[in-house]
Amino acid sequence: GAVVSQHPSWVICKSGTSVKIECRSLDFQATTMFWYRQFPKQSLMLMATSNEGSKATYEQGVEKDKFLINHASLTLSTLTVTSAHPEDSSFYICSASSGTYTDTQYFGPGTRLTVL
Amino acid sequence: DAKTTQPPSMDCAEGRAANLPCNHSTISGNEYVYWYRQIHSQGPQYIIHGLKNNETNEMASLIITEDRKSSTLILPHATLRDTAVYYCIVEDFKTIFGAGTRLFVKA
Repeated sequence: GAVVSQHPSWVICKSGTSVKIECRSLDFQATTMFWYRQFPKQSLMLMATSNEGSKATYEQGVEKDKFLINHASLTLSTLTVTSAHPEDSSFYICSASSGTYTDTQYFGPGTRLTVL
Repeated sequence: DAKTTQPPSMDCAEGRAANLPCNHSTISGNEYVYWYRQIHSQGPQYIIHGLKNNETNEMASLIITEDRKSSTLILPHATLRDTAVYYCIVEDFKTIFGAGTRLFVKA
């Protein structure tokens, strides 16, 4: 149980375009979803936390107008990278929890974004 | 900053037990210790978590010291597929990943 999927698994886009990444909890209701970013050979960096039906809480230094997060249902959260630039190229990972931030998180397989 | 410190890397022979230590000296009374691992280019995988008592599941055992300032993750019979980065995390208001321990399981 506790499966989280992400789509797409990888995406290549041109600079200036927007990219949407979906995160779905397949067999449980995700009260809380998290979005992380991981650069090569680095650890995961938390970008934002979202609760269903509420606005996301962004970490310091993460531009909320650039990284739009929508947690419209208990099984779906989306991250939209707007006006992507090469420095946004990274591995984006979501996780979902059926409880609060202190409960077990189940991670998606990640989405590799390359901006040309 | 992460509330945990782990050795950057460890080696283990295939079939032997892998013992991964973690220090969390500033842990609060109601904070859980979680362990996740990340195999190259994949999302992290939940392994185990605990509060005070030792825990065991099909993947691993978690030993937490009585003062809760440190813990050890034990993979009883490591296989090559256990080669990964292992993260020890103390759940606070948000999840902060440290650098983790890169475990190499060698044949």
